[in-house]
Amino acid sequence: KAGVTQTPRYLIKTRGQQVTLSCSPISGHRSVSWYQQTPGQGLQFLFEYFSETQRNKGNFPGRFSGRQFSNSRSEMNVSTLELGDSALYLCASSYGRQSNEKLFFGSGTQLSVL
Amino acid sequence: TQLLEQSPQFLSIQEGENLTVYCNSSSVFSSLQWYRQEPGEGPVLLVTVVTGGEVKKLKRLTFQFGDARKDSSLHITAAQPGDTGLYLCAGVPGNQFYFGTGTSLTVIP
Repeated sequence: KAGVTQTPRYLIKTRGQQVTLSCSPISGHRSVSWYQQTPGQGLQFLFEYFSETQRNKGNFPGRFSGRQFSNSRSEMNVSTLELGDSALYLCASSYGRQSNEKLFFGSGTQLSVL
Repeated sequence: TQLLEQSPQFLSIQEGENLTVYCNSSSVFSSLQWYRQEPGEGPVLLVTVVTGGEVKKLKRLTFQFGDARKDSSLHITAAQPGDTGLYLCAGVPGNQFYFGTGTSLTVIP
């Protein structure tokens, strides 16, 4: 069974640009959640999608948005990039039936904003 | 303020030593999970503890859930270089996952 796939693996952008990250969950998983990981703040929850609907949202500004497609693949978009957006962005998938289910993580997208 | 505080933040030990990592909160959790993250990879689930006072063993790793379900510990016996990584506790007090601040462990051969 293929794992969670995130693309691209590395990304370099400049301030003010926008970026789209992609996540393909494990087959059969309907929940995809996104996290931002930085050395100072650790793993911070961005949002979770289940069956194409945003089910939960973390405390991030509106520049961070996402969506989920009918095949459960998800994209995350960050507009008007700031230097502080430099981070490892991780997505995780699960069946989504219970809130404390095991999460399967991708390898992440390392975003550098210059 | 983080919902889940882990200590220590960094740990560097020699191969063969024992260590304990702590995960503490003022909130009650229905369950807590422990993940290990290696450089360049996403976290991987090690264990889920559900019952207060529960102890689970995974080879040389022993996980304990506090009686009040507000804290957990991870004890590693005879650490090996392969144990090197970032250890994260995580819980769901409401409807989303919260991750701990993390403990970065380095085991020196």
